[in-house]
Amino acid sequence: SQQGEEDPQALSIQEGENATMNCSYKTSINNLQWYRQNSGRGLVHLILIRSNEREKHSGRLRVTLDTSKKSSSLLITASRAADTASYFCATDAGGYQKVTFGIGTKLQVIP
Amino acid sequence: DTEVTQTPKHLVMGMTNKKSLKCEQHMGHRAMYWYKQKAKKPPELMFVYSYEKLSINESVPSRFSPECPNSSLLNLHLHALQPEDSALYLCASSQDGDQETQYFGPGTRLLVL
Repeated sequence: SQQGEEDPQALSIQEGENATMNCSYKTSINNLQWYRQNSGRGLVHLILIRSNEREKHSGRLRVTLDTSKKSSSLLITASRAADTASYFCATDAGGYQKVTFGIGTKLQVIP
Repeated sequence: DTEVTQTPKHLVMGMTNKKSLKCEQHMGHRAMYWYKQKAKKPPELMFVYSYEKLSINESVPSRFSPECPNSSLLNLHLHALQPEDSALYLCASSQDGDQETQYFGPGTRLLVL
């Protein structure tokens, strides 16, 4: 089964609005990462949050992690058309170097 | 240089062909990965090389054969593929060690006819 499952699977917002994506997972993790993928391209690492961290910021990105609920959220503030992409959370599946990706959220930011 | 490069960008091959995908990084990373991604799906791990040795093989069919000639290069040899193998093949690298950020290449779009 998928270690990470994003919610919603698709999100459409107006430019300037905030976008929030959620990720739930099933097993214990050491860290959780968020990646962005533009259509048909490679993935770009956005942010990594460790299991002993609760919140992390990077520019317009804010990530939270709740290990008791096995969930994480990614908030993109003041969205731009260039933020249009698919966003994946990724967790370690208990294996060395093995990162498992969730199903992703497809974000569309309308100019 | 923080880039992972992949060649070719696109590949069309018949089921009897033999072809290879190439991946290169010059970040000094000691772990390299192959992923397969079907449309509208997340990447699926295929292989992991650590210090040029195969450390993870996710039960991938033998028609896919990875090779790591040195710490900067990773190949994926393809032979007798099936149409369902058509996908985006992504290469990634990481510093090594547990739970490291992975840096991805742009991928090779493969179509098997």
